[in-house]
Amino acid sequence: EDKVVQSPLSLVVHEGDTVTLNCSYEVTNFRSLLWYKQEKKAPTFLFMLTSSGIEKKSGRLSSILDKKELFSILNITATQTGDSAVYLCAVSVGAQKLVFGQGTRLTINP
Amino acid sequence: DVKVTQSSRYLVKRTGEKVFLECVQDMDHENMFWYRQDPGLGLRLIYFSYDVKMKEKGDIPEGYSVSREKKERFSLILESASTNQTSMYLCASSPGGTGGGYTFGSGTRLTVV
Repeated sequence: EDKVVQSPLSLVVHEGDTVTLNCSYEVTNFRSLLWYKQEKKAPTFLFMLTSSGIEKKSGRLSSILDKKELFSILNITATQTGDSAVYLCAVSVGAQKLVFGQGTRLTINP
Repeated sequence: DVKVTQSSRYLVKRTGEKVFLECVQDMDHENMFWYRQDPGLGLRLIYFSYDVKMKEKGDIPEGYSVSREKKERFSLILESASTNQTSMYLCASSPGGTGGGYTFGSGTRLTVV
């Protein structure tokens, strides 16, 4: 059975801190790994990773994939209250299907 | 701006009712999906469709059916709603032939009483 596990499930930090969110996976037909941010409504796309060891960056957010150890991390530096959200990790497994982790609820306190 | 639109943001239905959740996308995407999202369980795939009139079961299809008569519209049907189907339902679409590129709707929070 395909499985994606995120940790921690919940994280509370102060504004300005750096956070690292983890995502590990065990799937039979890996195509890519995706990160989404979900506030009150629809998840919004952050990154798609297909190759090991290549960091993707967008402002204060970055992510990297390790296909040998089967995990990815999402880093957020200099956190702001607007970063408070649920962060979802998903793995694309053939036929367009995404398998999601449980999500990490990140709360940034001012 | 490209969109996936779900017809209702909040719904309250009674046990035993037949419930229709509608989803429309304007991106000419081949693939469409229905997920439900529950605390601690993440998003779980109910059904998906990769073409008009085609459907595939996801991980939790029991108690649900779907309809895709037109490319842009994918409907989720709860034949006889039960309280354990109270959840957030998310529709998504993606173009064919890629490993990602999902666009999500805003979700429908369904409460079955």
